[in-house]
Amino acid sequence: GAGVSQSPSNKVTEKGKDVELRCDPISGHTALYWYRQSLGQGLEFLIYFQGNSAPDKSGLPSDRFSAERTGGSVSTLTIQRTQQEDSAVYLCASSLANTDTQYFGPGTRLTVL
Amino acid sequence: QKEVEQNSGPLSVPEGAIASLNCTYSDRGSQSFFWYRQYSGKSPELIMSIYSNGDKEDGRFTAQLNKASQYVSLLIRDSQPSDSATYLCAVLDSSASKIIFGSGTRLSIRP
Repeated sequence: GAGVSQSPSNKVTEKGKDVELRCDPISGHTALYWYRQSLGQGLEFLIYFQGNSAPDKSGLPSDRFSAERTGGSVSTLTIQRTQQEDSAVYLCASSLANTDTQYFGPGTRLTVL
Repeated sequence: QKEVEQNSGPLSVPEGAIASLNCTYSDRGSQSFFWYRQYSGKSPELIMSIYSNGDKEDGRFTAQLNKASQYVSLLIRDSQPSDSATYLCAVLDSSASKIIFGSGTRLSIRP
């Protein structure tokens, strides 16, 4: 079946603009994660959704970042008033349950000018 | 703060040799451990998972887990240039709430 998909693949925006990044998880996967990866760095956990439970937002770096997951499937990560330090690759991953293997999407490369 | 530690490298290994990648974790109650490989510019992909103390082999890859020492390793036998990548260690925390990734070890296999 289809893997995790993300859109857009690349996004260039101006400082101060809002952006929305989309993640389509693998069908049936109840857990969904968002990570950020700056060039040459490791994965920075942002937020985690598991089924109908309240999301774990402990990794969100500021209140400019928010995410939602509608109908337990598609998720949108929103960054308001983007800053240059927000430039990174944003990766989404999904798994059958929170204890299982995570399958990663191809990522969205965000560049804030 | 639950942590997963890896040497960032780069680790340079000659082709055909054994590459040994190491990872330590702070949460003693962790039960599930994963190794991911990430090629430059690509997303991470799972290589192996391990849940019990001891060794688990899959082809050229062997994962080793020692819960008493809070240590997990990945051995790559007969290293190939195509193994050159960053290897990420990941640990499911004891509350089974989320998986925590290490910062990764960059491996370079020299011909």
